[in-house]
Parts: sequence; structure tokens; C-alpha cells
Amino acid sequence: AQSVTQLDSQVPVFEEAPVELRCNYSSSVSVYLFWYVQYPNQGLQLLLKYLSGSTLVKGINGFEAEFNKSQTSFHLRKPSVHISDTAEYFCAVSVAGYSTLTFGKGTMLLVSP
Amino acid sequence: GAVVSQHPSRVICKSGTSVKIECRSLDFQATTMFWYRQFPKQSLMLMATSNEGSKATYEQGVEKDKFLINHASLTLSTLTVTSAHPEDSSFYICSARDGASGGYQETQYFGPGTRLLVL
Repeated sequence: AQSVTQLDSQVPVFEEAPVELRCNYSSSVSVYLFWYVQYPNQGLQLLLKYLSGSTLVKGINGFEAEFNKSQTSFHLRKPSVHISDTAEYFCAVSVAGYSTLTFGKGTMLLVSP
Repeated sequence: GAVVSQHPSRVICKSGTSVKIECRSLDFQATTMFWYRQFPKQSLMLMATSNEGSKATYEQGVEKDKFLINHASLTLSTLTVTSAHPEDSSFYICSARDGASGGYQETQYFGPGTRLLVL
């Protein structure tokens, strides 16, 4: 079975500063990787995904993530955050060929002025 | 594209009543839909996977007689919480997998969620 670890439950950062949200996974087979964002009382919105190909993936709202197979990581980054980026971020993994997602516990990004 | 809607967005009901939540894929055909439950400040817990025209597959610990799932068409799945009790109060989120071929096949698109409060 696969698992996802998001080590940071909360990441406080000032506006316009860079941010990295960490995600590590474990799986014995090939996986697909996803980052979702959840604003308060809303569903999840897909930020970006890695299925294959280039390990650097660019998503919406200026976010990007890099798949590192040797370190089994898929960290999410943004060079300059905005107040509006304040939200819960979930990393998720699915096994190639199966669509069930396994989620991490989430990281709350808190952007302050 | 890839929009999923849920209805209602909020529902308050009395203990013992049943509540139906609808999940619709608006601009694509969803051969598979998923139902999740999310407790405050926690991650999503997969409840069940439903495939169009067949019985849902429930995760361990989820009572299939309490959480009835129907996926009668390629764009609609419903979750019915039967004889709801206060402990069923939660945020229920559905997602749909685009049945088109290619890489998008692996992507789940989520609805906005339904907040259920059982009094």
C-alpha cells in the first residue's frame, strides 16, 4: 500500500516570500502524484499533477512541484505568495492504473501581511 | 472544463431522517465517482468508489447500509445517509474521474462539498 507524509501541519509565511510545502510518499510501484488546494468550506481544487515526463511540473496560481524519485518526494513551491494563497494544501498519490487517491494529512499555509 | 457540482451545499436535518446528496459531472462523463468524508481540520477519508451501473465498493469500516450510493448515469452519483445521527455530521465531498482516454484518466475532480449537520 502507498502512503503520503506531509510533515508540516502548518506553514506561516509573510506575503511575497517564497514557500515550500513538503510531501513524501512511499510506494513499491509507480505512482501518480497530485497537489490539491482547499479553501475554507470548499471542495478540493487541483493545483498540479505528475503523471510522467518532465519532473518539474507547473500548475495554476504560480505553483510548481518537482518529482524526485530517489527521494520519493513531490514538494510544492511558489516563489512569492499572496494573502489569497492562505488555504489547506493536500498532497495525494495514486497507483498507476488505479484511480483511488491516498491523501496526506494536509498543510495549512498561512500568509500574513 | 472538468467541473463537478454537489447539491445541496448545506443541509440540516433531524436525527433519524435520511439525507440525499447529489454529485454531478457537468462537462464530462464520469465512469467512476468517489465519496469522501472530511472531519474538521483533517484529511479526506475515502468512503466508497462507485462505478456507473454497478454496486459501489466501500472502504473498510464504512457501513454500506447506512451510506447508500447510487451511480445510475455517467454524470450522476448520489449518496444517501440513512437514519442520520449527530455523529454523521461532517463535510461530504465527491469526486469524479474523467473517463476520457489519456493522462486525464487518472485525475479526480472534486465537488464543492456538502456540509451535513444532524441535530
